[in-house]
Amino acid sequence: EIVMTQSPATLSVFPGDRVTLSCRASQSVRSNLAWYQQKPGQAPRLLIYGASPRATGIPARFSGSGSGTEFTLTISSLQSEDFAVYYCQQYNDWPRTFGQGTKVEIK
Amino acid sequence: EQLQESGPGLVKPSETLSLTCSVSGASITDYYWSWVRQPPGGGLEWIGYVFHSGSTNYNPSLKSRVTMSISMSSNQFSLNLGSVIPGDTAVYYCARGGYGGAPLYTWGQGMLVTVSS
Repeated sequence: EIVMTQSPATLSVFPGDRVTLSCRASQSVRSNLAWYQQKPGQAPRLLIYGASPRATGIPARFSGSGSGTEFTLTISSLQSEDFAVYYCQQYNDWPRTFGQGTKVEIK
Repeated sequence: EQLQESGPGLVKPSETLSLTCSVSGASITDYYWSWVRQPPGGGLEWIGYVFHSGSTNYNPSLKSRVTMSISMSSNQFSLNLGSVIPGDTAVYYCARGGYGGAPLYTWGQGMLVTVSS
């Protein structure tokens, strides 16, 4: 099973900050990597698939990059509605596996 | 497009957890249909997917206890998890996925299932 490791576990930031979240795979997943956002009491929402394309309706301030084993989700200027937990998921191999999540909280 | 989970919110240990996902705004004959769960305060775990052909793929950690099926006439798909234990307590999500069950484009709101006597 491919282990997905996200860092940091928690990120304390100010609104307007630029935020960079990391996700590392234990072996190559090529570009088969998705990012999800989850707010309290809600289902996750797909942000990024294929490592970089944004899902439908996702604002341009969200961007994804990387391939192989190292991936990054960047939020260019954090808005109040962006405070949430972010998960990465690989879908290159079975079983599909998620990272443990990064919580982005208000500083 | 909307997905909605339904089923019992409380299941006794050793019994079978059964959930149904009703799909509206999309045809069950397209896409791969997945289940994901999240224990209280925990992370996400992919359970598996079912395709309209009947093909399935399950997480090996649950494979011996999981069955998924699909009903084209009802535009629904289902999850059965047998021999449940308290550790199976979680919010269960159904979702529409791409080829092979991911990425997960659209999610249901989730349903908390508690395993307790």
